[in-house]
Amino acid sequence: NAGVTQTPKFQVLKTGQSMTLQCAQDMNHEYMSWYRQDPGMGLRLIHYSVGAGITDQGEVPNGYNVSRSTTEDFPLRLLSAAPSQTSVYFCASSEGANYGYTFGSGTRLTVV
Amino acid sequence: QQQVKQSPQSLIVQKGGISIINCAYENTAFDYFPWYQQFPGKGPALLIAIRPDVSEKKEGRFTISFNKSAKQFSLHIMDSQPGDSATYFCAASEISGGGADGLTFGKGTHLIIQP
Repeated sequence: NAGVTQTPKFQVLKTGQSMTLQCAQDMNHEYMSWYRQDPGMGLRLIHYSVGAGITDQGEVPNGYNVSRSTTEDFPLRLLSAAPSQTSVYFCASSEGANYGYTFGSGTRLTVV
Repeated sequence: QQQVKQSPQSLIVQKGGISIINCAYENTAFDYFPWYQQFPGKGPALLIAIRPDVSEKKEGRFTISFNKSAKQFSLHIMDSQPGDSATYFCAASEISGGGADGLTFGKGTHLIIQP
């Protein structure tokens, strides 16, 4: 039981490049979400999903896309990276509204 | 608009003392209030959570106090230990609405327990 697995752990991108941050969970959780963490800002919700085929926007969705084709996977796509997207990204999953979220170990992204 | 305000930003407590972190929320629809603990280089981990139908919840050395009328809740760490040194985040969500739209986090408190 690996929990929530995020890859890669570190990534450096050039402005304008695209990439996908991977997130997989093996707990059969329906709820999954992506957050970004910036110094002094806490964690801010980017996108979330309540199940396969269902996604919605969070607080800071601009510049990011998501899809949920399976229960296990919830990738986050940066279409054209910008320096403002330099951050640590966390994926999280939960089995339901009355349960806490399990977080991955994060992806540290630097856009130069 | 910051919906969950957390204070203090940083806190230094002597070993054995009580650490207290406070949060205030604005959205009266929030009905689930967890606290997360984060160590450097790691993801946040759920520490303890409370629903508004109780005023206090205790798990070991960690206690959440909740004041619904004031829209405030706090984390108390009793007998604080150096291993408790971490960043703590309060959060809130609306379970009655499904809770699927994730958590609204405070900005975090960097706690240092001095030996």
